[in-house]
Amino acid sequence: GAVVSQHPSRVICKSGTSVKIECRSLDFQATTMFWYRQFPKQSLMLMATSNEGSKATYEQGVEKDKFLINHASLTLSTLTVTSAHPEDSSFYICSARIWQGRFSEQYFGPGTRLTVT
Amino acid sequence: SQELEQSPQSLIVQEGKNLTINCTSSKTLYGLYWYKQKYGEGLIFLMMLQKGGEEKSHEKITAKLDEKKQQSSLHITASQPSHAGIYLCGADEIQGAQKLVFGQGTRLTINP
Repeated sequence: GAVVSQHPSRVICKSGTSVKIECRSLDFQATTMFWYRQFPKQSLMLMATSNEGSKATYEQGVEKDKFLINHASLTLSTLTVTSAHPEDSSFYICSARIWQGRFSEQYFGPGTRLTVT
Repeated sequence: SQELEQSPQSLIVQEGKNLTINCTSSKTLYGLYWYKQKYGEGLIFLMMLQKGGEEKSHEKITAKLDEKKQQSSLHITASQPSHAGIYLCGADEIQGAQKLVFGQGTRLTINP
């Protein structure tokens, strides 16, 4: 299957600083990428959908100014958590879709664990 | 919006035993995905089903989508410790949808 990478895998930052997480599709071009957040023992929560070259579509309740998403190329999307606070500590996972006609497959990155102190 | 119900929420089986996890929707499933996740890691793509009655297998894991395309099952034969983890089903809300909705997951524990 296709490979999606994330960097960094773990990051610890101080409250008030910003953190950037990168998501790359390694062997395919992804017109659509997704950012999810996952709390312990819970399922994935979609934060936003990102299409290459256009503004991200955020889910209800997700602060656009807090979670900046940039999808500058067909292989790279970034999530920047601005002015991070301890409540932003979580596991962030990106995902990318490959379209094959009317159908698609969706692959996930390994995740980034963010800890805000 | 579409909701996916997974059952059971958790499952403990003896190594070597077979098991089944179900994923049910009140609406038609246009694309049904099965993933496996280990704690603290990303999701591993297992299989994707599209057509009613479709069945796919990979090693000891078989996934089926019923004819009505409202229920899918994931069956593991002769379970091994490596099968332990959280299994998630995901589905397209509508045909050609851009985003998946997920079930709450099934936590599988394999006892030696």
